Amino acid sequence: GQQLNQSPQSMFIQEGEDVSMNCTSSSIFNTWLWYKQEPGEGPVLLIALYKAGELTSNGRLTAQFGITRKDSFLNISASIPSDVGIYFCAGHLGNKLVFGAGTILRVKS
Amino acid sequence: DAGVIQSPRHEVTEMGQEVTLRCKPISGHDYLFWYRQTMMRGLELLIYFNNNVPIDDSGMPEDRFSAKMPNASFSTLKIQPSEPRDSAVYFCASSPGLAAFFGQGTRLTVV
Repeated sequence: GQQLNQSPQSMFIQEGEDVSMNCTSSSIFNTWLWYKQEPGEGPVLLIALYKAGELTSNGRLTAQFGITRKDSFLNISASIPSDVGIYFCAGHLGNKLVFGAGTILRVKS
Repeated sequence: DAGVIQSPRHEVTEMGQEVTLRCKPISGHDYLFWYRQTMMRGLELLIYFNNNVPIDDSGMPEDRFSAKMPNASFSTLKIQPSEPRDSAVYFCASSPGLAAFFGQGTRLTVV
């Protein structure tokens, strides 16, 4: 079953709004990764987090590795139409990389 | 580097036929992962290799599925015999040890 609980399942927002999504787990993770997948493509890495408490930005994206190592969030500021897609969190349990169920993001322009 | 390369991109086969999916990882990456993606179950890890050795195949659905990595630049995932419920997108990903990088996937349809 899913070891990562990702929420929300989907979001439909207005262009320009900020977006926040998160992942939680009952297990401790060594890394947290955030990916975006567009139709017909494989997931593409957005941000990688390697240390508890780490806060990392990549353009309009910001992600944090929770202090407890059991959660992470991803924020997207000032959303634009090309932000649409499925966003996945992922984490390492040992060397095994497992994924959340994804958050579907739709942007209304 | 061209990234992770998977072939074919699309495969349509009849139930009972053997299917072989191929993957060329990024050069220098020590880890290779095979995932299956469906609407119902999301991205499931099937098996992963480290330095060409299978480490964890607990995600392989059943004995009809097998994976090999004969060398550092090639891996296959085989389904024999295939069934309609195997229809999914299969992804290969490689990693130097931390973040993984995905191929474009093979969309498999078993009719």
